[in-house]
Amino acid sequence: GENVEQHPSTLSVQEGDSAVIKCTYSDSASNYFPWYKQELGKGPQLIIDIRSNVGEKKDQRIAVTLNKTAKHFSLHITETQPEDSAVYFCAATRRMDSSYKLIFGSGTRLLVRP
Amino acid sequence: SQTIHQWPATLVQPVGSPLSLECTVEGTSNPNLYWYRQAAGRGLQLLFYSVGIGQISSEVPQNLSASRPQDRQFILSSKKLLLSDSGFYLCAWTGDYTEAFFGQGTRLTVV
Repeated sequence: GENVEQHPSTLSVQEGDSAVIKCTYSDSASNYFPWYKQELGKGPQLIIDIRSNVGEKKDQRIAVTLNKTAKHFSLHITETQPEDSAVYFCAATRRMDSSYKLIFGSGTRLLVRP
Repeated sequence: SQTIHQWPATLVQPVGSPLSLECTVEGTSNPNLYWYRQAAGRGLQLLFYSVGIGQISSEVPQNLSASRPQDRQFILSSKKLLLSDSGFYLCAWTGDYTEAFFGQGTRLTVV
């Protein structure tokens, strides 16, 4: 089955610096890679996603890159702000019959120091 | 627009007691439904998913079960809770697209 590894588990950056979180996946048939942000006591919310026919996607300060050959994808946050502090999860998915199974990484706790 | 409701938000239950967590989705039909568990400081573990009424797939052997009595209702249950069942339980749904929408979660503490 699919396995997703995520690094680092914790990341502390100074406000204004960039943050990079990396994930690798095992199933070469995976074709959709979302990133979620989870604030304390809440459910995760999608912040950006990328599909396997695209190498890079950007949305304001957030970007995601995908290397299908190496089976890894990364989240880049530029000009970090204190409100970016949260736990971030990567995920990989593939279609299973009529369902999509999302397999999550173990999460990265990002702390942005003011 | 679609919304997902999950309750209760917090729950404290004694060991050996039963459990029932409910999740409902509004604004869509025939969603794929999921139950995840998140242990403290850990990632999201997929417990169950369902592609239709009465269709449940279990990802890991455990003390829990799931049911889908209606199209937009997903229930997580246990007959006798264990201490190890404590955690943050999240319900989610996906439709024709692969984006998953999560509920606000239930924090379960078994004492």
